[in-house]
Amino acid sequence: AQKITQTQPGMFVQEKEAVTLDCTYDTSDQSYGLFWYKQPSSGEMIFLIYQGSYDEQNATEGRYSLNFQKARKSANLVISASQLGDSAMYFCAMREGRKGGSEKLVFGKGTKLTVNP
Amino acid sequence: NAGVTQTPKFQVLKTGQSMTLQCAQDMNHEYMSWYRQDPGMGLRLIHYSVGAGITDQGEVPNGYNVSRSTTEDFPLRLLSAAPSQTSVYFCASRQGLTGELFFGEGSRLTVL
Repeated sequence: AQKITQTQPGMFVQEKEAVTLDCTYDTSDQSYGLFWYKQPSSGEMIFLIYQGSYDEQNATEGRYSLNFQKARKSANLVISASQLGDSAMYFCAMREGRKGGSEKLVFGKGTKLTVNP
Repeated sequence: NAGVTQTPKFQVLKTGQSMTLQCAQDMNHEYMSWYRQDPGMGLRLIHYSVGAGITDQGEVPNGYNVSRSTTEDFPLRLLSAAPSQTSVYFCASRQGLTGELFFGEGSRLTVL
């Protein structure tokens, strides 16, 4: 079973509108972390936002916010006031709790966001 | 700050050749890892290290070797390249358990 599921291969949004990118996860750990990364066409991976499983408040970073619904195991990324520069691939990732001194970050397959003028 | 530096950025190999992708970080991060990115597959973990002298396998380790003799360096070795290893490779590092991964710029490898 996939650990991270991003069900939207592609999304379109008009400039200045808000958009939500979906992410659901699967884990039996109580302690875990959720990340969102942006990958523009130039290829680099850019960290956007982090949510810990014990964080009571939804994470926010500027125009990015994470809609964390623990019971539903979802961690959707909300981008407000979309800009043309937001056009990119977006990856959701999960770090599970420490097991035997090691841990891994597992990525979803990504969502390609296109912002239209 | 240089951050995470990967070399080379582009490489073309013939089937059966060997090569090493270099990765160095100057942030004194304990955790380093290698991912490969293929179209429609996201990023998949190849190998990772939680400190000098300690390495472990990720999701897709076959055909790759790693070592971690220093905190700064984490090279990825392809002993006998295969066309299935054509991909973009990312090295990443992190300090501690909750921090984000810092990625290198990626290395695009083509195996003919």
